[in-house]
Amino acid sequence: NAGVTQTPKFQVLKTGQSMTLQCAQDMNHNSMYWYRQDPGMGLRLIYYSASEGTTDKGEVPNGYNVSRLNKREFSLRLESAAPSQTSVYFCAIGALGFTGELFFGEGSRLTVL
Amino acid sequence: SQQGEEDPQALSIQEGENATMNCSYKTSINNLQWYRQNSGRGLVHLILIRSNEREKHSGRLRVTLDTSKKSSSLLITASRAADTASYFCATDARGAQKLVFGQGTRLTINP
Repeated sequence: NAGVTQTPKFQVLKTGQSMTLQCAQDMNHNSMYWYRQDPGMGLRLIYYSASEGTTDKGEVPNGYNVSRLNKREFSLRLESAAPSQTSVYFCAIGALGFTGELFFGEGSRLTVL
Repeated sequence: SQQGEEDPQALSIQEGENATMNCSYKTSINNLQWYRQNSGRGLVHLILIRSNEREKHSGRLRVTLDTSKKSSSLLITASRAADTASYFCATDARGAQKLVFGQGTRLTINP
């Protein structure tokens, strides 16, 4: 039982390249989230999906797009990467939306040169 | 700006001592949660306290919530080296539809 699986774990991109971060869960939770973590900034919400078929913007959505492919999978796409998007990205899931416990993946460390 | 602000930013104590971390927030909340993050890992949920609760215990953890002061504290008793990690509070602000994390307290337990 892996819980929340993120791929890739590490990625280096050049400015302007695109990539997709994948998140898959095996806990059958409705809500899925993408956060980014930067030193001194805590975690900031990029996008979330309250249920299959819905997505909403979080605090810092600019430069990102998401797809809730099915109940299990929620992907985050950077269409044209910028150095400001260098960060650690975390996918999280929850059964009760924002009112309950979140389960986090191990993170994807992205560097944009 | 962050909803939750932890204090102190860093804390270093000896093994066996108690560690106290504080969190302040700005708006009314439904609940407040504490998470732990070991270096290079994802966050792990520790405890959730609802706005109508004042204190909650889980093993060596004790969380208090003072809604009048918009603050919470996390106490870890009899600390162990394995407690070395960053600790984050997260608040579910009413009507905000998001869980907002603070910047965290980096706790180091010295053997």
